[in-house]
Amino acid sequence: GAGVSQSPSNKVTEKGKDVELRCDPISGHTALYWYRQSLGQGLEFLIYFQGNSAPDKSGLPSDRFSAERTGGSVSTLTIQRTQQEDSAVYLCASSLAPERSSYEQYFGPGTRLTVT
Amino acid sequence: GDSVTQMEGPVTLSEEAFLTINCTYTATGYPSLFWYVQYPGEGLQLLLKATKADDKGSNKGFEATYRKETTSFHLEKGSVQVSDSAVYFCALHPFGRQLTFGSGTQLTVLP
Repeated sequence: GAGVSQSPSNKVTEKGKDVELRCDPISGHTALYWYRQSLGQGLEFLIYFQGNSAPDKSGLPSDRFSAERTGGSVSTLTIQRTQQEDSAVYLCASSLAPERSSYEQYFGPGTRLTVT
Repeated sequence: GDSVTQMEGPVTLSEEAFLTINCTYTATGYPSLFWYVQYPGEGLQLLLKATKADDKGSNKGFEATYRKETTSFHLEKGSVQVSDSAVYFCALHPFGRQLTFGSGTQLTVLP
């Protein structure tokens, strides 16, 4: 079946604008993760959804960042009032139930965000 | 907290050379350990994994052994190819939580 998909693949926005990034996980995967990959910071965890449980938001860098997951499937990451330091590649991953830590996370191709 | 320390890059090798990329970790409990690879212009892919102490993960000629006594998961390959040029990330996955990644090691293999 299809892998994890993300849209858009590239996004250029002006400082101060809001952006929405979308992730479609693999069908049947209950866990969904957002990560950020930026120069100098490596790969950072942002937020994690598992089923109907409250999301783990411990990695969100500021209150300008939020995410939701509708119907246990598609997720949207929203960045309000974007800043230049938000420029990065935003990666989404999904996996089977994470109670089994051996379950692989499958990554999407990412959205490259550039804030000018 | 959990952390992964990975060998600094970049690493440049000639084709057929032996590769080692060091990875050590700090974690509570017994996490699973992974190596992910990112080829130029592509997304992250799982290369290999190990879920408990002394497990050896292997794939595409790469190997790594989960060493609990030294908290290490070093990546090795006996004979690298140009096509192995990529960025390699060591990661740990504690029970029920997110992946924690190392900083990544850029590998370039010259013909």
